[in-house]
Amino acid sequence: EADIYQTPRYLVIGTGKKITLECSQTMGHDKMYWYQQDPGMELHLIHYSYGVNSTEKGDLSSESTVSRIRTEHFPLTLESARPSHTSQYLCASRGGQSTYEQFFGPGTRLTVL
Amino acid sequence: KQEVTQIPAALSVPEGENLVLNCSFTDSAIYNLQWFRQDPGKGLTSLLLIQSSQREQTSGRLNASLDKSSGRSTLYIAASQPGDSATYLCAVRTLSGNTPLVFGKGTRLSVIA
Repeated sequence: EADIYQTPRYLVIGTGKKITLECSQTMGHDKMYWYQQDPGMELHLIHYSYGVNSTEKGDLSSESTVSRIRTEHFPLTLESARPSHTSQYLCASRGGQSTYEQFFGPGTRLTVL
Repeated sequence: KQEVTQIPAALSVPEGENLVLNCSFTDSAIYNLQWFRQDPGKGLTSLLLIQSSQREQTSGRLNASLDKSSGRSTLYIAASQPGDSATYLCAVRTLSGNTPLVFGKGTRLSVIA
């Protein structure tokens, strides 16, 4: 079944650790996105990609980085986690067909102690 | 720059009521508009997608309308149920189709049994 997968779903980690949040989609979508969302707050776009080897920064300044080596995979990396990075991270993708409908993964809830 | 506003920010209704959620956008040159639902701590679920050439879309008890010239969309929920309780987000994609979605801050809906 075509879907978007995010792992881990929950992560509690200490300050200074390097972490990678995984996002994979099986829909063959070119466009992929990362959003950050604090509880009860609005979504903020932090990174996006138009395709392999393409990455762009979003509206919200982020200390994270992304890579797009394969169409289906769009990982987000924090080199040194800090408590201010505590948030929910949502991955999304959308097709290149005429509808351009966007779909979201289930999210990763990150807590940095 | 496109801005999306959703009113009201929160809404509480008794079960069985029909209700309308509002979304307005500042730039009418849009490619499409998408309504999402988000349950607490979860990702976003796509509810309805309206292309710029369409006036409305329906799915079950949900009906979304689009008046592009006035920069407005409404999401109508018929015969509301407690299971409809969630945050509803409206998002627009600009005319080029290649830019990221611009999201509103959402309407938090509570349906009381």
